Amino acid sequence: QQPVQSPQAVILREGEDAVINCSSSKALYSVHWYRQKHGEAPVFLMILLKGGEQKGHEKISASFNEKKQQSSLYLTASQLSYSGTYFCGPGGDGNYQLIWGAGTKLIIKP
Amino acid sequence: NAGVTQTPKFQVLKTGQSMTLQCAQDMNHEYMSWYRQDPGMGLRLIHYSVGAGITDQGEVPNGYNVSRSTTEDFPLRLLSAAPSQTSVYFCASRGGYEQYFGPGTRLTVT
Repeated sequence: QQPVQSPQAVILREGEDAVINCSSSKALYSVHWYRQKHGEAPVFLMILLKGGEQKGHEKISASFNEKKQQSSLYLTASQLSYSGTYFCGPGGDGNYQLIWGAGTKLIIKP
Repeated sequence: NAGVTQTPKFQVLKTGQSMTLQCAQDMNHEYMSWYRQDPGMGLRLIHYSVGAGITDQGEVPNGYNVSRSTTEDFPLRLLSAAPSQTSVYFCASRGGYEQYFGPGTRLTVT
């Protein structure tokens, strides 16, 4: 079952904040977040693991609520470079494969 | 270090033709996968491999074959192309938590 991402799209002014949500109907052991710019390949942002561990490249914060099977990505003081489509991919226990959400398109205007 | 490479970048096929999409990685990753991405949808897993000689089906395997004779290469074969296979295809490899994606192949089947 594909996870549900919300909102589907959001338009911000540079400097504004955004929250992107990801909900799964299955038990979550990890959540992966990727960003894809138009015409490019997805790029890893971070992974949140059961128990609270987080690993990522950028200073983007996220939360992972195991009981609610939800994750949220927090983009604060957005920059033009944050524009793109954000995908979440919940991971199961010992499961390499990810079932990806449909994505949230983020547009940042100057 | 080239990362993940894919060829060709663009391809147009006629219905019924077969072809192979090439994917190679130079990071010595055991896990490799093929995804397709259609407009408005996330990435859907076609096939994956956890090492040379080991492959398995993902969400949407019908119409595609894979093999993994070496750690570096993971080609995707379209057996008899159909218009429904028009899509952007991404190959990815993974060493730890992070997946590295190739630049993609844009395939059109007429």
